[in-house]
Amino acid sequence: EIVLTQSPATLSLSPGERATLSCRASQSVSSFLVWYQQKLGQAPRLLIYDASNRATGIPARFSGSGSGTDFTLTISNLEPEDFAVYYCQQRSLWPLTFGGGTKVEIK
Amino acid sequence: EVQLVESGGGLVQPGRSLRLACSASGFTFDDYALSWVRQPPGRGLEWVSFIRSKANGGTTEYAASVKGRFTISRDASTSIAYLQLNSLRAEDTAVYYCTRGLKTSVTSFDYWGQGTLVTVSS
Repeated sequence: EIVLTQSPATLSLSPGERATLSCRASQSVSSFLVWYQQKLGQAPRLLIYDASNRATGIPARFSGSGSGTDFTLTISNLEPEDFAVYYCQQRSLWPLTFGGGTKVEIK
Repeated sequence: EVQLVESGGGLVQPGRSLRLACSASGFTFDDYALSWVRQPPGRGLEWVSFIRSKANGGTTEYAASVKGRFTISRDASTSIAYLQLNSLRAEDTAVYYCTRGLKTSVTSFDYWGQGTLVTVSS
């Protein structure tokens, strides 16, 4: 199965700063990479699908890039509500797999 | 408004069975693929199972960890998806989420239920 490695495990930033989250796949997933946000006690929310497509209602400060094995989620200007855990997921091959998550916390 | 509401979780002994239900509303049930994703307490997400839309044959996929023990199904007459969990193990303890796939990217999950907790313990 495809293993997704997210880094860093924790990112400590202040509101207004730029967050750069990485997801690396153990083999190419082409552009079939998805990003979710999960806040404590809530279900995940779809942010980006197929590497760079923002889901409906997602603010423009969230952007995704990459292809093959290396992907990035960028949050350009952190708002207080953006502090959460972020997961990547590949949908290139069965079984679908998720990364271990990156927690973005307030510095 | 799209809604997915899970039910059926609870405390169950190892080796026993449980059936989870996902009641869907606010969209044309037959047109969308559905998946179950689980999350053990304090841990990350794990995809469990997938069922294609009616137009795509309603065929299924499973994670290796549950294949042969879990069965996903869908009932168009009631707009309910099910996950039958058999031969439960302690490691199946998790919150189970029902999810809907995008029409154009069926394994990107745009709606999630609130989750139902399954605890496997003696």
